[in-house]
Amino acid sequence: SYELTQPLSVSVALGQTARITCGGNNIGSKNVHWYQQKPGQAPVLVIYRDSNRPSGIPERFSGSNSGNTATLTISRAQAGDEADYYCQVWDSSTAVFGGGTKLTVL
Amino acid sequence: EVQLVESGGGLVQPGGSLRLSCAASGFTFSSYEMNWVRQAPGKGLEWVSYISSSGSTIYYADSVKGRFTISRDNAKNSLYLQMNSLRAEDTAVYYCARRAVVNDFFDIWGQGTMVTVSS
Repeated sequence: SYELTQPLSVSVALGQTARITCGGNNIGSKNVHWYQQKPGQAPVLVIYRDSNRPSGIPERFSGSNSGNTATLTISRAQAGDEADYYCQVWDSSTAVFGGGTKLTVL
Repeated sequence: EVQLVESGGGLVQPGGSLRLSCAASGFTFSSYEMNWVRQAPGKGLEWVSYISSSGSTIYYADSVKGRFTISRDNAKNSLYLQMNSLRAEDTAVYYCARRAVVNDFFDIWGQGTMVTVSS
């Protein structure tokens, strides 16, 4: 079965840039989506199809995908960006989520 | 307002059964593919099951295959998950999630319903 690998945690200083990676075999050939989840809340889509932002998501959120790694980039990180982030793809009619990354804004 | 509202969670003994429901509103439910996604306490997201807009195509995660059954009633704007032979490892918050038309991301999520399997 297909697996997605994310770092358990990423820390970023307030106002700096955070990068969260999502590794998978030839993930660059798949559409990668990213979700943000805050404690006690349902996930919210922040990036779809590698690099597209849904309406209402700040331009500070961006994404890329190539080779074996997809990356979610959060520029000018704010305290409100502190959350768990999950990447997701579809593989053989199965949705696959990465293990999740806890973003801490220092 | 586009909304999904889950219900039916609760405490059940190992080996027991539970039926979850997801009520959709604010959109044409019959046009959308739907999914169940769960999250064990303190853990990550795990996809559980998919059903096409007509209900004719269904997929399950290996962890629930043969025990869970997804279904929908488009006339009632409702999605269901029948869970049998429940195990402790099925303890989780269960979310229903809408799959976007054309693209394959989950664009709308419910607030979740908690299922606890324990004696």
